[in-house]
Amino acid sequence: EPEVTQTPSHQVTQMGQEVILRCVPISNHLYFYWYRQILGQKVEFLVSFYNNEISEKSEIFDDQFSVERPDGSNFTLKIRSTKLEDSAMYFCASSEARIRDRDSYEQYFGPGTRLTVT
Amino acid sequence: LAKTTQPISMDSYEGQEVNITCSHNNIATNDYITWYQQFPSQGPRFIIQGYKTKVTNEVASLFIPADRKSSTLSLPRVSLSDTAVYYCLVLKAAGNKLTFGGGTRVLVKP
Repeated sequence: EPEVTQTPSHQVTQMGQEVILRCVPISNHLYFYWYRQILGQKVEFLVSFYNNEISEKSEIFDDQFSVERPDGSNFTLKIRSTKLEDSAMYFCASSEARIRDRDSYEQYFGPGTRLTVT
Repeated sequence: LAKTTQPISMDSYEGQEVNITCSHNNIATNDYITWYQQFPSQGPRFIIQGYKTKVTNEVASLFIPADRKSSTLSLPRVSLSDTAVYYCLVLKAAGNKLTFGGGTRVLVKP
């Protein structure tokens, strides 16, 4: 079964440093997403991406965050200057279609990258 | 925003049926209801989606009454490996994101 992969599985960084989290979505999917989950809290939407541009972003996704699809397979999330409160599990997801396109809509999530900011 | 409300936690035993009810009182006409499962330290995984009445797949059943203000996820004959957090979500056709609530933590005991 195809799956979303993410690297690294765990990243430790110092406050103020830049980090890039990497994801390889499922190959025929067109819509890509990043979510985060702070330990013990709910999964929060960050951003959705389609056709090489951001289609929607949340209030969390401020100027320190950016996303990119540098080639035909990777999808990255960059945090420019990390803060302690950025420590969380970051999940990448992809979907074949939009919610409105079909009766059964599914986002496929990767295993996550645990980001620890010290 | 279609807010969902579901129990914080539920305990069950192996072999039993688990039913988790979610309320979504302000669901809109074009919204769908979907359920995801999340194991510790893993990403959420799709379980089932429905619009009305009953939907069944190899994993679960979803019951949605006529007024669609609630839905019930039914997990038949649970095993220890079904211990997870189960999220009820309302899919807004106008957007593409998933909005997660707190979910229901299901603990299956031997």
